[in-house]
Amino acid sequence: NAGVTQTPKFRILKIGQSMTLQCAQDMNHNYMYWYRQDPGMGLKLIYYSVGAGITDKGEVPNGYNVSRSTTEDFPLRLELAAPSQTSVYFCASSDPKGSPEAFFGQGTRLTVV
Amino acid sequence: RKEVEQDPGPFNVPEGATVAFNCTYSNSASQSFFWYRQDCRKEPKLLMSVYSSGNEDGRFTAQLNRASQYISLLIRDSKLSDSATYLCVVNIPAGANNLFFGTGTRLTVIP
Repeated sequence: NAGVTQTPKFRILKIGQSMTLQCAQDMNHNYMYWYRQDPGMGLKLIYYSVGAGITDKGEVPNGYNVSRSTTEDFPLRLELAAPSQTSVYFCASSDPKGSPEAFFGQGTRLTVV
Repeated sequence: RKEVEQDPGPFNVPEGATVAFNCTYSNSASQSFFWYRQDCRKEPKLLMSVYSSGNEDGRFTAQLNRASQYISLLIRDSKLSDSATYLCVVNIPAGANNLFFGTGTRLTVIP
């Protein structure tokens, strides 16, 4: 049981490039989340999903897109990367029908130069 | 108004000290409460759930006061390994986005 798996762990992007951060969970959780965490700051919610085919914006969605075609996968897409998107990105999942505890992936450290 | 508010600290305490963190939440529909621990450059991990009757796990004690809408975490006999950021988390089951995180309280235990 791997839990929540994020790839890649590290990435350097040039301004204007795009990339997809992958997130997969094997716990059959309906709820999934993407957060970003800037140095010394708290978690900010980017997007979340309550099930396959359903996504919604969080606090800081600009510059990002998501999709949820399966229960397991919740990729985050960055289009036209900007230095302001330099951050650590965490994916998480939870099961609202069971314990509402959130399980996190190990994070993706992204630098935009 | 933020759903969850915490004192960001930092709290710098000597080894062996007792330290307490508080967290307030704004939504009375909040149902479940947690403390998470986040080490530097790592993902948050569940430290303990917080129950209405209060609960203890070794040196850690969590309390919930629903009337005043605050949650506390008490750490006794602090160890160097307790140095981390402690996140207060609230679950509001009625909402689509049901988890709300505080910004965290940074603790440093000094030898």
